[in-house]
Formats: sequence, C-alpha cells, structure tokens
Amino acid sequence: DTGVSQNPRHKITKRGQNVTFRCDPISEHNRLYWYRQTLGQGPEFLTYFQNEAQLEKSRLLSDRFSAERPKGSFSTLEIQRTEQGDSAMYLCASSFTGGSGELFFGEGSRLTVL
Amino acid sequence: KQEVTQIPAALSVPEGENLVLNCSFTDSAIYNLQWFRQDPGKGLTSLLLIQSSQREQTSGRLNASLDKSSGRSTLYIAASQPGDSATYLCAVEGVWDNAGNMLTFGGGTRLMVKP
Repeated sequence: DTGVSQNPRHKITKRGQNVTFRCDPISEHNRLYWYRQTLGQGPEFLTYFQNEAQLEKSRLLSDRFSAERPKGSFSTLEIQRTEQGDSAMYLCASSFTGGSGELFFGEGSRLTVL
Repeated sequence: KQEVTQIPAALSVPEGENLVLNCSFTDSAIYNLQWFRQDPGKGLTSLLLIQSSQREQTSGRLNASLDKSSGRSTLYIAASQPGDSATYLCAVEGVWDNAGNMLTFGGGTRLMVKP
C-alpha cells in the first residue's frame, strides 16, 4: 500500500492552456474525491466518485472543470482554458464504503497559471 | 450549509507549551470530525477521527474532543515541539452532504513552535 499518488506534483502553464492531473487512490478504496485548496484556505470539495460513477459534480467550479474515473481505479481532473484564478493546489483523497469515514489524501498537484 | 471555523488562525508558542486549537461548526448533524496536519506545500495527514457518538480520541501527545451539540471540537497538543510546526485543519462529514465521506474544512490554524 503506497498511499494516494498524484501526478504531476507541480504544473506551470500559460493562461488558456488545458491541464490534466492524475490521481491513483489506495488500491482497495472505491471512493475518490477531488478538492481544491487556495493559499491560506482549507480544501474545498469539487467532486466525488464511487467506483466509476461520478455521484457528485455540482460543486465543480465551472464547466471548464471535468473529472473522470473510467475503470473505477485512477482518476483524472482536467481544467480547460486555464485562468490565473485556477492557480491552486489540487488534492485527491480516497476512502472505502463501510469504513470509518477517514479520508486519505495525496500530496497534491500544484497548478500555477501565468 | 455547513460552515467550519478555526480559531486562532495563527499561533506562535515556545517549545514545551501545552496548547489548544479550536474548531466550531454550524450544523451539528455530522457523522464525524477529523483533524489533519498539513506541512507547507504538502498534502494532508490524518491525525484523529472522532465519530459523532464519541467524545474524544487520543494519539500520543494529541487529544481531540468533540461536543456535537454545541458544534465544537478542540485539539490539545501536549509538550509542543518544533516538529509540530504545521497547519492544523479540522473537517466535518455532514449527514446532509450526501457525497460519500465528503468533508467540509475550516481555514486551519498555522502553528509555529519556537525552540
């Protein structure tokens, strides 16, 4: 068990470009979450998967944000036409149904939009 | 909508002091409350999880209490050390959130322990 893995750890991009982040959850965890954290703030929930089904996506920040988990294992978060306000840390977490409710977080992917 | 507040936002103490971090939440309908530690530029490390039916949890020098009816939790750190310097985040899983184990976070308390 290597924990939740996120790649890349840091992405620098120019405004208007598309970026994609990948999350590999703990292998036996069927639930996967994406959060966004801006400087000096607590993480903010974006979306949630149970297995391959995206069960909550109403809190994605705009239609430029999308997430997938095609085979119920790893997930990707894509941001299209990036804006400077998208600069933040994007955190992935996982848990399993019937567990204690404890979430396990990855190290995060930091996005800088120039 | 659940709101979580952490006081103080920042705290600086000399090594060896016992300290208390506070967390309050507006909706007492929660499944659990979790405390996390975050080092600069890093992800979150789970410290303690308190189920709604519990009053406290302990791990080493850390003790977290929960008063669900008043919407409050405290994290007590005994005999603080410079290695405890980090941001401490409190988060609740709300009964009405209906998104797995979705958490609502406070803004964190940034702790500096000086040698």
